[in-house]
Amino acid sequence: EDQVTQSPEALRLQEGESSSLNCSYTVSGLRGLFWYRQDPGKGPEFLFTLYSAGEEKEKERLKATLTKKESFLHITAPKPEDSATYLCAVNAGGTSYGKLTFGQGTILTVHP
Amino acid sequence: DTAVSQTPKYLVTQMGNDKSIKCEQNLGHDTMYWYKQDSKKFLKIMFSYNNKELIINETVPNRFSPKSPDKAHLNLHINSLELGDSAVYFCASSQYDRGAGNTIYFGEGSWLTVV
Repeated sequence: EDQVTQSPEALRLQEGESSSLNCSYTVSGLRGLFWYRQDPGKGPEFLFTLYSAGEEKEKERLKATLTKKESFLHITAPKPEDSATYLCAVNAGGTSYGKLTFGQGTILTVHP
Repeated sequence: DTAVSQTPKYLVTQMGNDKSIKCEQNLGHDTMYWYKQDSKKFLKIMFSYNNKELIINETVPNRFSPKSPDKAHLNLHINSLELGDSAVYFCASSQYDRGAGNTIYFGEGSWLTVV
């Protein structure tokens, strides 16, 4: 069974204090690893898709990387508006039609 | 323009009632989904439709019945609501890609509370 574990469960940072979120996964044939951001009372907002080990993607202060066992979401010089829950999900092989398996999320709080 | 829109956003109802949640996407995608987010914030897939055909049904009680009148709409009807059905239900859509994982876009969610 596909499994996704995110750590830490919660992370508090000071504005400008860079850090990383971890997503460890176990799947049979990775077709894609996804990062989403979810604000309170909102739906998950798509951030990145990574397809193969070694791939990296960046967007503003966020950078996602992928290995064969885990993915990291690096946050450089975060701002209070980066506070949100960050969700990691995997899409495995086979006839999945978008069956994403999600982790439990990391709640990020950035203090000014 | 909202890409994936669902109504209602909030729904409070009594046990035993029947209710529906509607979803529409204007992204031109051919695949739509219903996901459930429980109190622990885990998101789990319930159903997936591709071109109006049911593709995924993840061991969901048969009180839950999805209906897709066309590929831009996917509604969720719930019969005989139970307290445990209280959750946030997210509609989502994607364009099927055989060779890669599909990027899925979510709606804003429908907060269902059963009392």
